[in-house]
Amino acid sequence: DAGVTQSPTHLIKTRGQQVTLRCSPISGHKSVSWYQQVLGQGPQFIFQYYEKEERGRGNFPDRFSARQFPNYSSELNVNALLLGDSALYLCASSPGPHGTPARTIYFGEGSWLTVV
Amino acid sequence: RKEVEQDPGPFNVPEGATVAFNCTYSNSASQSFFWYRQDCRKEPKLLMSVYSSGNEDGRFTAQLNRASQYISLLIRDSKLSDSATYLCVTRSNFGNEKLTFGTGTRLTIIP
Repeated sequence: DAGVTQSPTHLIKTRGQQVTLRCSPISGHKSVSWYQQVLGQGPQFIFQYYEKEERGRGNFPDRFSARQFPNYSSELNVNALLLGDSALYLCASSPGPHGTPARTIYFGEGSWLTVV
Repeated sequence: RKEVEQDPGPFNVPEGATVAFNCTYSNSASQSFFWYRQDCRKEPKLLMSVYSSGNEDGRFTAQLNRASQYISLLIRDSKLSDSATYLCVTRSNFGNEKLTFGTGTRLTIIP
């Protein structure tokens, strides 16, 4: 079975541009969470979606938005990019909305975003 | 103050040595605790869950002290392959799957 897949793997954008990152969860998983990992820091929670509904939102500005599709894949959008948005963006897939065993939460390899 | 605090290291330890990592968390609503491992430029992967009774998985031992809001990880007989960043993680289980990560502690095992 395929693991969590994210695209693109690497991209470079200019300040002020917009970016869309994509995530496909493991088959059978209905929850997708997004994290931002800046160099030298741990991942920070951005959003969680379960069954197309937002279940959680981290402390990020409104420039960050996300959605989940009927097939449970998800997109993360970031508008008006800043240099500080340069980071590894990770998607995590899990079966349920909350409290699922940690061994069932899987991360994708991430999308490396560089803003210049 | 960060919700999960770790010594960022780096820890440079000779092969075969024992190394200990510590972590403190500030959110008393945290209910689940984990150690994740992250290799350079890779995604984090679950190393082990942490329980109040303490738990062991081979050379790895994890301990949780809820009263002190303190989590530890002990690695015995360290191997070169243990070189990685170790992330202390909490979860509140309040309606979502939010994982709160520490900064991570970088470990290098020296031959």
